Amino acid sequence: AQKVTQAQTEISVVEKEDVTLDCVYETRDTTYYLFWYKQPPSGELVFLIRRNSFDEQNEISGRYSWNFQKSTSSFNFTITASQVVDSAVYFCALKGGGSTLGRLYFGRGTQLTVWP
Amino acid sequence: EPEVTQTPSHQVTQMGQEVILRCVPISNHLYFYWYRQILGQKVEFLVSFYNNEISEKSEIFDDQFSVERPDGSNFTLKIRSTKLEDSAMYFCASSDPGTPYEQYFGPGTRLTVT
Repeated sequence: AQKVTQAQTEISVVEKEDVTLDCVYETRDTTYYLFWYKQPPSGELVFLIRRNSFDEQNEISGRYSWNFQKSTSSFNFTITASQVVDSAVYFCALKGGGSTLGRLYFGRGTQLTVWP
Repeated sequence: EPEVTQTPSHQVTQMGQEVILRCVPISNHLYFYWYRQILGQKVEFLVSFYNNEISEKSEIFDDQFSVERPDGSNFTLKIRSTKLEDSAMYFCASSDPGTPYEQYFGPGTRLTVT
């Protein structure tokens, strides 16, 4: 079974603070894929990153960074120097390696609010 | 930048009515999906579609639901007889053969069943 847990329901920070969003996943697949999506107040889902299970290198993209640790089944997302525009719901998602078209399993999301 | 589009953005319907939600995936994408998100809850998979047939469907996708690719550009989700609990945001997604694991989502259709 595939499962994604985002234990933090809501996080509030003040602009310029760093914030880390946690994601813990469960899967029995040896090959799998992890994702982060952003859902701003307008409602669309914006793809942020994909990570393959065989690539544990951390990734940085501007103010965003991701820490993938297979040993703890975690794929955490850090925003450095947060901005008001970062306010959104962030979803972590998992896809098993079984098929190309496999469904994404989403966590419940973390509502991030960045105050000016 | 190419994007997935969905129409309408908001649909209000009465219980028992049929609705069709429309999606135009990114033009070179071959894999298509529908997901839904009940207000305040997580996004849930409904169905995936490839080569003009359903590849996988979830337990939510019962006989009331159907999908179709009526032409080369549209991908539709039909709900035959809507129930109150069908009220949700419905997202269409697509992915291309080169990076099939990266699903790009449309802006969603908010369905309200009264």
